[in-house]
Amino acid sequence: AQSVTQPDIHITVSEGASLELRCNYSYGATPYLFWYVQSPGQGLQLLLKYFSGDTLVQGIKGFEAEFKRSQSSFNLRKPSVHWSDAAEYFCAVGARGGADGLTFGKGTHLIIQP
Amino acid sequence: EPEVTQTPSHQVTQMGQEVILRCVPISNHLYFYWYRQILGQKVEFLVSFYNNEISEKSEIFDDQFSVERPDGSNFTLKIRSTKLEDSAMYFCASSLHRTGDRPQHFGDGTRLSIL
Repeated sequence: AQSVTQPDIHITVSEGASLELRCNYSYGATPYLFWYVQSPGQGLQLLLKYFSGDTLVQGIKGFEAEFKRSQSSFNLRKPSVHWSDAAEYFCAVGARGGADGLTFGKGTHLIIQP
Repeated sequence: EPEVTQTPSHQVTQMGQEVILRCVPISNHLYFYWYRQILGQKVEFLVSFYNNEISEKSEIFDDQFSVERPDGSNFTLKIRSTKLEDSAMYFCASSLHRTGDRPQHFGDGTRLSIL
């Protein structure tokens, strides 16, 4: 069964600074990988996804993520954060040709300092 | 952009009562899902539904849970006899295909509070 680890529970970043949120996964093959964002009281919004091909994927709101097979990682990055980026970020794994349900990490709470 | 909509946004129910959570998936999507998120914990998969039957369910989805697509647009989750530990945010999601090149789109959730 697949699993996802987000090692940072909270991250604090100054507005305008760069951001990297870590995600490591465990899966027997190349998985489908996703990052979702959850603002307070809101649902999960898809930021970006990786299925195959180029290992650097671009998403909405200026986010990108890089799939590194050798490190089993799919870290999320943004060059310059805005106060509106404060939210909970979830990394998720989907199995190829296998289980329907996504497996989520525990999430990273992003705090933006002025 | 089409959205998954869920009603109600907040449901308060007495322990032991039945509750039905409602979802309207994106109209051309074929796969439907329920997830839950207990406060402060990660999002957990409950069940997937395709072609009018359960495709997959997790160990959380026991006999007190059921899902139904009563008409062409709604997708419901029923909890027969609620327990305190059922208090959580419940998310509905839909996708055009199974997880793959068509990702799951989530609704804003229903917060279920069991008293």
